[in-house]
Amino acid sequence: GAVVSQHPSRVICKSGTSVKIECRSLDFQATTMFWYRQFPKQSLMLMATSNEGSKATYEQGVEKDKFLINHASLTLSTLTVTSAHPEDSSFYICSASQYEQYFGPGTRLTVT
Amino acid sequence: SQQGEEDPQALSIQEGENATMNCSYKTSINNLQWYRQNSGRGLVHLILIRSNEREKHSGRLRVTLDTSKKSSSLLITASRAADTASYFCATDAQGGSEKLVFGKGTKLTVNP
Repeated sequence: GAVVSQHPSRVICKSGTSVKIECRSLDFQATTMFWYRQFPKQSLMLMATSNEGSKATYEQGVEKDKFLINHASLTLSTLTVTSAHPEDSSFYICSASQYEQYFGPGTRLTVT
Repeated sequence: SQQGEEDPQALSIQEGENATMNCSYKTSINNLQWYRQNSGRGLVHLILIRSNEREKHSGRLRVTLDTSKKSSSLLITASRAADTASYFCATDAQGGSEKLVFGKGTKLTVNP
């Protein structure tokens, strides 16, 4: 099956710094990737749709200037959490679409 | 906004018993999918059922879909301790959107 990786799997950063999370489709090309956020014991909430070569489409309530998404190639999308705050601590999951969505293993972000 | 609602929120059973989880949604769909998530990990796709299908089987999994009631159920038969995980339903919207909307999930605990 199609494989999606995320890097890093865990990251701890200080308040005010920026963190970049990578999402890669390893064995297929994905024109569309999705970024989700999951708080503890809760479900996944779609943050944005990332389209290769164009601007991401953000869901209502998601700050585009805070969560920067770059889909530079057909196999890579990045999510940068800018000026991170403790409330940004969460589990971030990406998916890449090829007829269906294939999910990455997630990135645990902790902001201290 | 989330449109999938699972019940129960948590389910605890003994090994060998069957586990049934339900999901309801609000709008018309093309497909409904069930995913599994082990604690702190990514999502594993279990099964997809199309809107014109009523029942689907995969190994010990049985999924039903009732589009008139906008509901689906996931049955895991002869449960094992390794089935312990959270289970989510996800729906897409008619109209060709690739976006998935996830339900709140059911946390299943199978006691050995």
